[in-house]
Amino acid sequence: DTGVSQNPRHKITKRGQNVTFRCDPISEHNRLYWYRQTLGQGPEFLTYFQNEAQLEKSRLLSDRFSAERPKGSFSTLEIQRTEQGDSAMYLCASSFLGAVGTDTQYFGPGTRLTVL
Amino acid sequence: EDQVTQSPEALRLQEGESSSLNCSYTVSGLRGLFWYRQDPGKGPEFLFTLYSAGEEKEKERLKATLTKKESFLHITAPKPEDSATYLCAPSVQTATGRRALTFGSGTRLQVQP
Repeated sequence: DTGVSQNPRHKITKRGQNVTFRCDPISEHNRLYWYRQTLGQGPEFLTYFQNEAQLEKSRLLSDRFSAERPKGSFSTLEIQRTEQGDSAMYLCASSFLGAVGTDTQYFGPGTRLTVL
Repeated sequence: EDQVTQSPEALRLQEGESSSLNCSYTVSGLRGLFWYRQDPGKGPEFLFTLYSAGEEKEKERLKATLTKKESFLHITAPKPEDSATYLCAPSVQTATGRRALTFGSGTRLQVQP
C-alpha cells in the first residue's frame, strides 16, 4: 500500500533561488492538493487539481508560485525568487472523488523548506 | 468567514488518564468534519469524518462526536504513543466541487508514562 510521497523531504536554499517540489499521489486518486503549514498552525490551502486541470488557487499563492500536474499523475510546485517568509512545510494531499463522494484527503510526509 | 478554534492548545496527560479535546467551528454549509493526527515533522494522518450532529466514530482509544457547533475527540486510557497534535477541519464544498478543509491550529497532546 503506497501512500502519497513527496520529494525532497527537506530543502535548504538561499533567498532569491528557485525551488521545485514533487508530489506523487496515491495511484487511483484523481484529485491533488497543495497546502502550506507553518509552526503551530494547521495546513493552509494553496491549490487544487482535478486530474490535470488546476481548478483553484488560493490568494496565498502569489505569482512566484506555480503548480503543474501534467497528465494527471504527479505534481510539481515551484517557488521562484524565494523569500524568507516562504520557509514552511509544504504538504501534498490526494483524494478520489467517486460515485459515493466521500473524497477524503490523504496527506504526504511534506517537504520542509528553509530559506536562508 | 469560516472559523475553527481548538482547545486546549496543549494537554499533558498521565498514561491512562482520559480526557477530551474540543473543536468549535463556524461554517456555512458543513459537508463533513475531519479529524487528523500529526506527528512532529510528518504529514497529517486521517482519523475520522463525521457528517451529521449526533454521529460518533471510534478507533481504538479515540472516539469522535459531533454537534452543530462543536466536535469532541475523547481519548480513553491514553498511551504514550497517542502523543501527537490532533487537528480538526470542518469542510464545505466550493464552486469547483472541492471539499475545502479549514484546519484549526491543533491540540498538542503529550501522554507521559
